[in-house]
Amino acid sequence: LAKTTQPISMDSYEGQEVNITCSHNNIATNDYITWYQQFPSQGPRFIIQGYKTKVTNEVASLFIPADRKSSTLSLPRVSLSDTAVYYCLVGDYNFNKFYFGSGTKLNVKP
Amino acid sequence: EAQVTQNPRYLITVTGKKLTVTCSQNMNHEYMSWYRQDPGLGLRQIYYSMNVEVTDKGDVPEGYKVSRKEKRNFPLILESPSPNQTSLYFCASSSPLGTTYNEQFFGPGTRLTVL
Repeated sequence: LAKTTQPISMDSYEGQEVNITCSHNNIATNDYITWYQQFPSQGPRFIIQGYKTKVTNEVASLFIPADRKSSTLSLPRVSLSDTAVYYCLVGDYNFNKFYFGSGTKLNVKP
Repeated sequence: EAQVTQNPRYLITVTGKKLTVTCSQNMNHEYMSWYRQDPGLGLRQIYYSMNVEVTDKGDVPEGYKVSRKEKRNFPLILESPSPNQTSLYFCASSSPLGTTYNEQFFGPGTRLTVL
C-alpha cells in the first residue's frame, strides 16, 4: 500500500484557486489516486479519482504527472465552505485497505 | 435516500462492558469498512468486508470484532472496551464493481467514550 505525504495545513482566501499536492513515490502500476474531503464531525466525502493526466468534475480537478509520483488537487475559487481536511489516498482500483493519513487542513479566510 | 446509518451516534460506557455499534447501508454495496479517527492521526481502518461472510483486518484491528451476516449490515463489536478505544468511529460502504471509480460512502459517525 503506497504511503502518501501531504502538507499538514494550508491557508487561502475566498475566490482564490487552491492547489494541494500529495506525494506518493511508491505508487504501483495498478494504483489509482483518490481525494476525499472531510468537515468536522462528519464522514469523509469523495471528491475525485484519477489514474493519469488530468481529471475534472464539477467541484475539482486532479492533475497527475507522467511519473505519477505526485498528484495535485485543484479547487477553483474556494469559498469559506471549502474549509475542511483533504485526504489523498492511493490504492489499486479494487483496493480494500485504505490509508487516509493525516490529511491537509485547508483554512479559507474571508 | 441512499445512505449509511450508524447507531448509536453517541455512547458513553465503562471499561469492560461489551458494546456493539451498528452500521447499515441501503445501496446494496458489497464492500463495507470501519474506521476510527483520533486527533492528529487521520482515519485508520479497523476492519473491512468484501462481501457477506468475508472480513479482513485493517491497520488497527486489536480489540475489535466484526461480522457480516447480511449484505446491508456490518456491526462493530467491542468485547471489552478500554479507554484507548475512545474515539470517533465511521462506517463506510462502496461498490466499485461496474463503475469507473471507487467511491466510499461514509456514515455520520459514532462518538464513543470509554471511562
